[in-house]
Amino acid sequence: EPEVTQTPSHQVTQMGQEVILRCVPISNHLYFYWYRQILGQKVEFLVSFYNNEISEKSEIFDDQFSVERPDGSNFTLKIRSTKLEDSAMYFCASSEGGGVNTGELFFGEGSRLTVL
Amino acid sequence: GDSVTQMEGPVTLSEEAFLTINCTYTATGYPSLFWYVQYPGEGLQLLLKATKADDKGSNKGFEATYRKETTSFHLEKGSVQVSDSAVYFCALSASGTSYGKLTFGQGTILTVHP
Repeated sequence: EPEVTQTPSHQVTQMGQEVILRCVPISNHLYFYWYRQILGQKVEFLVSFYNNEISEKSEIFDDQFSVERPDGSNFTLKIRSTKLEDSAMYFCASSEGGGVNTGELFFGEGSRLTVL
Repeated sequence: GDSVTQMEGPVTLSEEAFLTINCTYTATGYPSLFWYVQYPGEGLQLLLKATKADDKGSNKGFEATYRKETTSFHLEKGSVQVSDSAVYFCALSASGTSYGKLTFGQGTILTVHP
């Protein structure tokens, strides 16, 4: 069964360092998303991405964050200068359609980021 | 803003017990409602959904009914199995927005013992 894969599964970094989290969405999907879950808190929407552009982003997704689809298969989330409060589980998701035709989101297993 | 509240967990049950996980929401208009499940070591998977009032979503013996009058979408299963042990998330997608932008509840850990 097709699945969304994420790497790394766990990354430990020092505060102020840049981090790139990688995702390989399901191959025929066109809409991509990042969510995050800080330990003990809710899963929160960060950003949605379609046709090489951000469709929507939350207040959390500030200038420290960026996303791109560099090669037609990977979808990446970059955090430019990590802060302690960026420590969280980051989930990538993809869907075949978007808007009212989004249907089911398929999530990866998550990448745990620990900022020291 | 929109929000989802789930019953506090964790929930521990014996096999074949009845399960209810409460979920209530706050949103304007007519959101779509979802239950996602996360099994150990896996990503979140859609369990069931309902897109309008009084719709009942069902899958794998789980059911939930969209109740607009009580703004609720409680998850139920008549007889749980050990394999149902997982984290369950209630979520909504607000009307008029991308369905991909989900607002989640805090998740409820379910453990089923033999």
